[in-house]
Amino acid sequence: QVQLQQSGPGLVKPSETLSLTCAVSGHSISDAHHWGWIRQSPGKGLEWIASIYYTGTTSYNPSLQSRVTISVDTSKNQFSLKLRSVTAADTAVYYCARGGPTILSALDVWGPGTTVTVSS
Amino acid sequence: DIQLTQSPSSLSASEGDRVTITCQASQDIYKYLNWYQQRPGKAPKLLIYDASNLETGVPSRFSGSGFGIDFTLTISTLQPEDFATYFCQQYDDLPLTFGGGTKVEIQ
Repeated sequence: QVQLQQSGPGLVKPSETLSLTCAVSGHSISDAHHWGWIRQSPGKGLEWIASIYYTGTTSYNPSLQSRVTISVDTSKNQFSLKLRSVTAADTAVYYCARGGPTILSALDVWGPGTTVTVSS
Repeated sequence: DIQLTQSPSSLSASEGDRVTITCQASQDIYKYLNWYQQRPGKAPKLLIYDASNLETGVPSRFSGSGFGIDFTLTISTLQPEDFATYFCQQYDDLPLTFGGGTKVEIQ
């Protein structure tokens, strides 16, 4: 059974970098799936941030692309998100999720979510 | 970006009721639409993919239909555990986008 476990700080100061990691268990991250990050805030609802394939091929939401980096570490079976220059508008619950063999697919397994607050 | 408009944004219903939620896309998305259920404090859970296919383990009282622009999620007989928020999501094009959600509340 595939499980995603998220880690990272719940509080980030404005202008700093938000860093989150999603560890995958029960499935090899190199096994023909995309892996992504989605966030949810009261103001903007659910927002897809980025996705990555184990080969390192990435896709980003243009609205965040200039500030976001998604990466994968196949040796640790995990993938990560970095969001730079955060503001209060980046306060949200961040989820990692598994996509399909193509970038355009359903998200069938989700992590539990990490509540991230941007505040000094 | 492809916009998804869900209606209603909330509804009140009783156990045993039949519930229908709609999702309208801003352009033709063929069959590339999914439905998710989200309970309070939990992550979304995939219910329906490709507009009408039931995800493994999802009860058969859930069904999806539609093609092109207009899509529907139906719960045939509402159960207590179905009181939650439901979202549609398109994957016809990037960026992946979600509808605003429909909250199903106890009447």
